[in-house]
Amino acid sequence: AQSVAQPEDQVNVAEGNPLTVKCTYSVSGNPYLFWYVQYPNRGLQFLLKYITGDNLVKGSYGFEAEFNKSQTSFHLKKPSALVSDSALYFCAVRDMRGYNKLIFGAGTRLAVHP
Amino acid sequence: NAGVTQTPKFRILKIGQSMTLQCTQDMNHNYMYWYRQDPGMGLKLIYYSVGAGITDKGEVPNGYNVSRSTTEDFPLRLELAAPSQTSVYFCASSYGDTQYFGPGTRLTVL
Repeated sequence: AQSVAQPEDQVNVAEGNPLTVKCTYSVSGNPYLFWYVQYPNRGLQFLLKYITGDNLVKGSYGFEAEFNKSQTSFHLKKPSALVSDSALYFCAVRDMRGYNKLIFGAGTRLAVHP
Repeated sequence: NAGVTQTPKFRILKIGQSMTLQCTQDMNHNYMYWYRQDPGMGLKLIYYSVGAGITDKGEVPNGYNVSRSTTEDFPLRLELAAPSQTSVYFCASSYGDTQYFGPGTRLTVL
């Protein structure tokens, strides 16, 4: 079965420190992987995606993600966190059954403290 | 471009009432989706559509219906509201691999 796991409900980090939000996936074949961010009372916004090519993908707002096939992971990273990065982050994988459907993880709440 | 818009933003229903959640996109995307978001559960796909006149069930379709008469609109219908349908509902559309989300409708069924 296809699935996405985000093992941390919440990640706390001090402003200016690097941050990592973890994601692992389970699909057959080559995965299409995504990160979305949700700010309070807003819809989800696309951050970045991995389709193929370079394992390090750069996205919006200074975020990047590293695809690791052997560990089936796609962790989201940022070198220096901002208080404004505090939000709910979702990892997703494209459903192999087609129609660009996405399978989402449960989400990780990122709290950046001043 | 307004993107994906949803109405209403908030709604409280009584058990057994019905309502329609509206979703409109102005990006001429063929694919559209309805999700519900419950705390700690991520987003679950309710229904999706690959074009006008074509819809199909997602992971959690029970209690809902959809229609797609135009490319722009993809309304979600709740016929007999139940407390289990209390959730935040998101509509999305996609071009290629990326989905674009509306701001959501927060529904409470009492």
